[in-house]
Amino acid sequence: QQPVQSPQAVILREGEDAVINCSSSKALYSVHWYRQKHGEAPVFLMILLKGGEQKGHDKISASFNEKKQQSSLYLTASQLSYSGTYFCGTGSYNTDKLIFGTGTRLQVFP
Amino acid sequence: DTEVTQTPKHLVMGMTNKKSLKCEQHMGHRAMYWYKQKAKKPPELMFVYSYEKLSINESVPSRFSPECPNSSLLNLHLHALQPEDSALYLCASSQAETSYEQYFGPGTRLTVT
Repeated sequence: QQPVQSPQAVILREGEDAVINCSSSKALYSVHWYRQKHGEAPVFLMILLKGGEQKGHDKISASFNEKKQQSSLYLTASQLSYSGTYFCGTGSYNTDKLIFGTGTRLQVFP
Repeated sequence: DTEVTQTPKHLVMGMTNKKSLKCEQHMGHRAMYWYKQKAKKPPELMFVYSYEKLSINESVPSRFSPECPNSSLLNLHLHALQPEDSALYLCASSQAETSYEQYFGPGTRLTVT
């Protein structure tokens, strides 16, 4: 039961905002967010552990609604360096493994 | 040091070959992972080692054999692979499982001919 991300792809101009959603059919304990640039390894962005928790640093933040089994990643005032594929990774109560979502490809143009 | 290293970066092997992928971390992390990633797809978990013991095997074919010689090293032994096994193989580590961020190595690009 792979988490589903939406949208599948986003095209932005520098300075625009974007929201990426991650939805799971399973009860979640944790949600991770990673960014992967083409030909590179995924890079950790943030982890959310509690229902209703919101986190952020700089212009990237995220929220986690445990009851709805959903998380959202918010990118504000996007920069060229934000381009890449974003994956959520979800952890459930009865397993120790992280399951990655379907991915969202984000492209930022000047 | 937040680096996970993997060797080799690229590997081409025939279906009858035996090869190994290596992964190393010196962050004192107790969980290590192998993932397989196909183009434009998310990483798929293969194996998890926790405190040097295999804790998760995601029904991976026996032609993939993991090994954790010590807390810093993780190997993936390959034998009699199929062309569909061609992919990027990523190693990752974390302080413990699930609730902690995972640090990924650069991956090994494997091509099976």
